[in-house]
Amino acid sequence: GEEVAQTPKHLVRGEGQKAKLYCAPIKGHSYVFWYQQVLKNEFKFLISFQNENVFDETGMPKERFSAKCLPNSPCSLEIQATKLEDSAVYFCASSQYTSVAGKLRGTQYFGPGTRLTVL
Amino acid sequence: ILNVEQSPQSLHVQEGDSTNFTCSFPSSNFYALHWYRWETAKSPEALFVMTLNGDEKKKGRISATLNTKEGYSYLYIKGSQPEDSATYLCAFRRLEIQGAQKLVFGQGTRLTINP
Repeated sequence: GEEVAQTPKHLVRGEGQKAKLYCAPIKGHSYVFWYQQVLKNEFKFLISFQNENVFDETGMPKERFSAKCLPNSPCSLEIQATKLEDSAVYFCASSQYTSVAGKLRGTQYFGPGTRLTVL
Repeated sequence: ILNVEQSPQSLHVQEGDSTNFTCSFPSSNFYALHWYRWETAKSPEALFVMTLNGDEKKKGRISATLNTKEGYSYLYIKGSQPEDSATYLCAFRRLEIQGAQKLVFGQGTRLTINP
């Protein structure tokens, strides 16, 4: 598609339950990113993929968060045993960076986000 | 820790007036600076990607400048219209060993245009 699609729009979970969020990147884009926005704070980077390979996971709280991008499937972000502080809007972005003179040029296109509320 | 600061945090402008706001970022290991326009519950919309010191970009009534040596970018809106009401986000990409990819965001400037 021509837009990044995220499902569901809203997700409510009780503390300790699992949450799974999905992202369909723009067709042809090989890079996918997840960002977390808690309350009205800044977007915080979680993880990025190049195709199905993890590229950078320096922002992921690894104990409970995991993510995948498998061929011919939407990408997913899963939170095991959710906590109250996981309540946030989770944004997915995709990009088709091109290499120009050794630098990656391009922008990231964002989806509308999934609002996760943990009660 | 990378600090990307935007000021002011919020701004009210009369319709028809021009306005501008600032994004400051680390001046070392600069790779790129992005501007987004974001309305709550919608997708952030990419406005500009700026990579070279002195870059100036324009899209309709919105323009941006970049100073990588001192670490700041300005976004200008000329003749504000109600539809310009949104949060404007800047995001910094730093030069990293594995290739600069992730965006480090400021907290945004929330712009309200009063009719």
